[in-house]
Amino acid sequence: SQTIHQWPATLVQPVGSPLSLECTVEGTSNPNLYWYRQAAGRGLQLLFYSVGIGQISSEVPQNLSASRPQDRQFILSSKKLLLSDSGFYLCALMEVRTQYFGPGTRLLVL
Amino acid sequence: GIQVEQSPPDLILQEGANSTLRCNFSDSVNNLQWFHQNPWGQLINLFYIPSGTKQNGRLSATTVATERYSLLYISSSQTTDSGVYFCAVANSGNEKLTFGTGTRLTIIP
Repeated sequence: SQTIHQWPATLVQPVGSPLSLECTVEGTSNPNLYWYRQAAGRGLQLLFYSVGIGQISSEVPQNLSASRPQDRQFILSSKKLLLSDSGFYLCALMEVRTQYFGPGTRLLVL
Repeated sequence: GIQVEQSPPDLILQEGANSTLRCNFSDSVNNLQWFHQNPWGQLINLFYIPSGTKQNGRLSATTVATERYSLLYISSSQTTDSGVYFCAVANSGNEKLTFGTGTRLTIIP
């Protein structure tokens, strides 16, 4: 079965600093991968979606970007964080039409 | 895009009670899933159920696709059932889910 790893688990960053969140998956190949953000403890917002290496679909205009340098690696980045970037970031994959989530990264921008 | 509404937004029950959570969606779907997010944030997939009925232990779900709603039933609630329950749907082939705003369930011992 598939496993999704995310790190770091928590992160406190100053406004204007860069960001890099990493997601890696095991136990599957060529998965569809997703980045979601959850604010205020409810509601998931899809940020990015990838069907393969180098293929990224951006769902919401923002100062974030995503990359997929390897089949099982998905990276979320920012050059300059905003206060509004605070939230819970979740990486997910879809397998046999079922979505599975990683443990998430809690980001606090101060 | 497709709209997803969940009700009730909050539910507080005594341990041992039964509950029904509802998910309404605005268009036909080819993917519908229920998730449970525990108090630590972990999201667990409960059911993939674009139509029909499924059961897994104390949990069951029914989707009536023609009437655009799905129900999640929890019987004999336990404190570990507390958390937020999300319904998510998709109606295209690209497998991008739209999530509802969730139902926050609190089970009191």
